[in-house]
Parts: sequence; structure tokens; C-alpha cells
Amino acid sequence: DAGITQSPRHKVTETGTPVTLRCHQTENHRYMYWYRQDPGHGLRLIHYSYGVKDTDKGEVSDGYSVSRSKTEDFLLTLESATSSQTSVYFCAISDGTGSQPQHFGDGTRLSIL
Amino acid sequence: GNSVTQMEGPVTLSEEAFLTINCTYTATGYPSLFWYVQYPGEGLQLLLKATKADDKGSNKGFEATYRKETTSFHLEKGSVQVSDSAVYFCALSFRGGGADGLTFGKGTHLIIQP
Repeated sequence: DAGITQSPRHKVTETGTPVTLRCHQTENHRYMYWYRQDPGHGLRLIHYSYGVKDTDKGEVSDGYSVSRSKTEDFLLTLESATSSQTSVYFCAISDGTGSQPQHFGDGTRLSIL
Repeated sequence: GNSVTQMEGPVTLSEEAFLTINCTYTATGYPSLFWYVQYPGEGLQLLLKATKADDKGSNKGFEATYRKETTSFHLEKGSVQVSDSAVYFCALSFRGGGADGLTFGKGTHLIIQP
């Protein structure tokens, strides 16, 4: 299995609080991604990174920010959490070469009350 | 924009039945195509892939053929087992999962009964 660790695995918090999710990889892959998974929507891309300090928006980026200060870590921050951000969040990595697929972490279940 | 459409289910089959999960896509150009599987409480695992027209991906008895003329990538298995119960996602990418990320279908929940 690809070395991807997401933390925390579960979190419950209140509306308006800041939340940071962490994704750590040991594969030295260039590309890292954050997705959210919601019933009836599949997985949707929030943000991605193509290198240290290089990030870009995905399909559903409003309300989220990311940072990548080291190759191995990709942080997702909800500056002021809302109930609509209750979801399961997945990190993925890819070396981006040819047709190589993405590899996924085990997810973080986030509940915002 | 790009999109993937797949039957959502749940799809319920008996053990040893034949499985087909339909997947069609809309995209400008020729993407790479993937099937991922998600078991309860886990992340997504790559099941198989195809990178060009007429390619057949296969793994663990599952197969899917990249059909450019019908923009489809249907997943099939000849004889399903209870352990195949999971959610299956069809996805596409233009850079093989690189900078553009993956576009997913909504997922198909498969239930296999003994």
C-alpha cells in the first residue's frame, strides 16, 4: 500500500471553528490532492498541489485553503467550518507520470455541528 | 467540462452471478479511464485502468474495455463473490492522475448475497 497517512481520522467540531486536516506521504510523490466524498456526489476535487508551495483550486474549493511547505505534507484548512462541510475527506498522491493512477489515504470523517 | 455517469444502485446480486456496472463519460479528447473500489470504512483502491482506445484493463477477475466509439468503460466480472460487496467508482483523467486530478462518477454500491 502507498504510504499515505491522514490525521485525524475522525473529528467533531462546531460551526465557525477552524479545522486543519493533515495528509502525510512517504512516497516522495510530486502531486497531492484533497477530495471530499458525499452521498450522491461521488468524490469531488477540492485543491491539489504539484510541488512545494505550488497549489491550485479544484471543483469545490470555496471555503477551503491548502498549504504544502514540504513534499511529504499537504494541509487542508477550513477557516470557519460550516455544516455543509460535513463530509469524508480523502487525500491522494500521484507521481503524475504517464498514466499512473492516484493512491488514496483512508479518509477523515469530519462532522460539523 | 468532463463528466462520468454510472449506475448508482444499489445493485444486488446472488453469489456467482455475472456482473456488469455501466460507465460512460463525456470529455474533449481521450482520457485515461479507471475503476476504483471502496470497501466499508476504507479509502479507494485502484481496481483497473486503461489508457487508450480498445485497451482492456483487468484485475481480480474484473475487466473493462475502453470503447472510444461509445465513450464507455463498463466493468464486468463473470462470477461475483460475497467479498466483492463494495462501492465501485468509475473515473477519468487527462494526465493519468497527474495535475488535473480525477473526475469521478457517483459510485455504484454492489451487494452480493450468499
